[in-house]
Amino acid sequence: GENVEQHPSTLSVQEGDSAVIKCTYSDSASNYFPWYKQELGKRPQLIIDIRSNVGEKKDQRIAVTLNKTAKHFSLHITETQPEDSAVYFCAAPGSSNTGKLIFGQGTTLQVKP
Amino acid sequence: DAGVIQSPRHEVTEMGQEVTLRCKPISGHNSLFWYRQTMMRGLELLIYFNNNVPIDDSGMPEDRFSAKMPNASFSTLKIQPSEPRDSAVYFCASSRTGTKYNEQFFGPGTRLTVL
Repeated sequence: GENVEQHPSTLSVQEGDSAVIKCTYSDSASNYFPWYKQELGKRPQLIIDIRSNVGEKKDQRIAVTLNKTAKHFSLHITETQPEDSAVYFCAAPGSSNTGKLIFGQGTTLQVKP
Repeated sequence: DAGVIQSPRHEVTEMGQEVTLRCKPISGHNSLFWYRQTMMRGLELLIYFNNNVPIDDSGMPEDRFSAKMPNASFSTLKIQPSEPRDSAVYFCASSRTGTKYNEQFFGPGTRLTVL
């Protein structure tokens, strides 16, 4: 069935350190993997996504890697800053081609100054 | 583009009252999703529509919840009667299925408090 598992549920790092969040998915046909950031009191917003035809994508301090064989993908944030503190959600498509996304449980990232 | 629009932004009501949440998706988007977010259960998909047709309502918690999409630019989520455990933030999101690999855009949410 459709399932996305996300770890860890909470993550605390010192400013300047790196943070890594990992997700696994169950549907081998999944071809699109977005990451959303939700700041306190705000809506989830897309920060980066990766498609199944590439193994890595980078955007400044944020990168995402994808291992289709193992069915897992990860978010990497380097040189973390206090404004990176938020809840991060990974997602993968549902089995039907109707735009449905299956979201992970979320990771609360705290960057300590 | 104004993005996904939701109203009201905040709703406080008493147990037993009917609550109606509204959503206007981004123009041109053909999929619409209703989510509920709480600390305990995280982000839950309640129901979604594709081309105004409900596709999957298995996330709707019980018969007190209903959703409609009478046209491509408007959807409602209704709770009748409301209960304190319905207190949550309700998000509406839309996407254009078939392009950009299903990127979803979220509205600002409606914070519902049932007393």
